[in-house]
Amino acid sequence: DTGVSQDPRHKITKRGQNVTFRCDPISEHNRLYWYRQTLGQGPEFLTYFQNEAQLEKSRLLSDRFSAERPKGSFSTLEIQRTEQGDSAMYLCASSLVGGIEELAGRNNEQFFGPGTRLTVL
Amino acid sequence: AQKITQTQPGMFVQEKEAVTLDCTYDTSDPSYGLFWYKQPSSGEMIFLIYQGSYDQQNATEGRYSLNFQKARKSANLVISASQLGDSAMYFCAMREGPGNAGNMLTFGGGTRLMVKP
Repeated sequence: DTGVSQDPRHKITKRGQNVTFRCDPISEHNRLYWYRQTLGQGPEFLTYFQNEAQLEKSRLLSDRFSAERPKGSFSTLEIQRTEQGDSAMYLCASSLVGGIEELAGRNNEQFFGPGTRLTVL
Repeated sequence: AQKITQTQPGMFVQEKEAVTLDCTYDTSDPSYGLFWYKQPSSGEMIFLIYQGSYDQQNATEGRYSLNFQKARKSANLVISASQLGDSAMYFCAMREGPGNAGNMLTFGGGTRLMVKP
């Protein structure tokens, strides 16, 4: 399968615990995005990477949230000291920006993974 | 102010009929892109159709078409010949800036479409 993958698909944790989610983008994609989606709402942007560089992180919800993409391939999103309000679906997306137009596509579409559903008890 | 507004929380449509899902947007950037995604109950976001701000013609992809009215800042999705499998949440999203900037997407609140047999 060559799409975006996320692991785990579901995570149940107790309040105060740390959790880490992984995203593997489409292999030739240089951009990787994290979004959060709460029940009944549209996805909300959190952060994104160009290769290994994190270009935007001001939208991360608090300093308990952090993300990395150490080798410019997969990324991890960590939430420390989880709270019940962190319960949501965490979506990862990737795209190819720049480069050969035929590969990037006219619209630089973001391809989404299946998401990780977090439940904080 | 909301950047993307979807005013229909839920819509019903009879199978085989057409349906229009509304989306209005707000931006001062002259270059932007508008996207529609489908999210079935399984949760994955499926790309449907794209319209660039400089595109002269309305986008079409199979049974999906986008009614783009730039002056009114609206980008409504039209689904023709509805099928039971079209029942899902539909999200309108906007990317501000040109495509090769790869900026984030801003999503609306979504519309739940239910197709009746």
